[in-house]
Amino acid sequence: DAGITQSPRYKITETGRQVTLMCHQTWSHSYMFWYRQDLGHGLRLIYYSAAADITDKGEVPDGYVVSRSKTENFPLTLESATRSQTSVYFCASREGGVGNSPLHFGNGTRLTVT
Amino acid sequence: TQLLEQSPQFLSIQEGENLTVYCNSSSVFSSLQWYRQEPGEGPVLLVTVVTGGEVKKLKRLTFQFGDARKDSSLHITAAQPGDTGLYLCAGDGGSQGNLIFGKGTKLSVKP
Repeated sequence: DAGITQSPRYKITETGRQVTLMCHQTWSHSYMFWYRQDLGHGLRLIYYSAAADITDKGEVPDGYVVSRSKTENFPLTLESATRSQTSVYFCASREGGVGNSPLHFGNGTRLTVT
Repeated sequence: TQLLEQSPQFLSIQEGENLTVYCNSSSVFSSLQWYRQEPGEGPVLLVTVVTGGEVKKLKRLTFQFGDARKDSSLHITAAQPGDTGLYLCAGDGGSQGNLIFGKGTKLSVKP
């Protein structure tokens, strides 16, 4: 089925560990995004990618690393997890970079850092 | 920095009541989008408004884009429990392709 899938849905990890959140889309959309959603802050952009091998920082990039070797995949890595990174993470894709095209979101990964 | 402010933050109403949610900014946006998010899921697009003064209807939901393209509203007529969710407005963030989101209005409709 076409869509955007995130894995895992839930993850508990310890402070200092490295963890990777996966995102896969089947539409071949050029643009992909990682947001985190926290109470009181809403959705905040972590990183985005305009195409394979092109990535850039968003509003809150510190502590995160991304890569995009293939158009359909956009993994997000927390190099050394901290408690402040406990959040719900959403991956999204978009057909175009500007204009009226919608963002298509995955169902999120709920990450808890203990 | 472009910001979108939504109000109210929380809204709890009875089935059958009407409500309006607001999305305001000091910046001009080329378009605004409204999303609804249900628990455990990602946001899903409801509508995009493009032209200043535009009104769009989606069944019992009416969306309006301000004349100056700085604000938008969502009006729900005769709310139903199925309307419960988090309503988010979003505007184009510029050439990066991302959207800037408001913090959302959490709506609860009780039967």
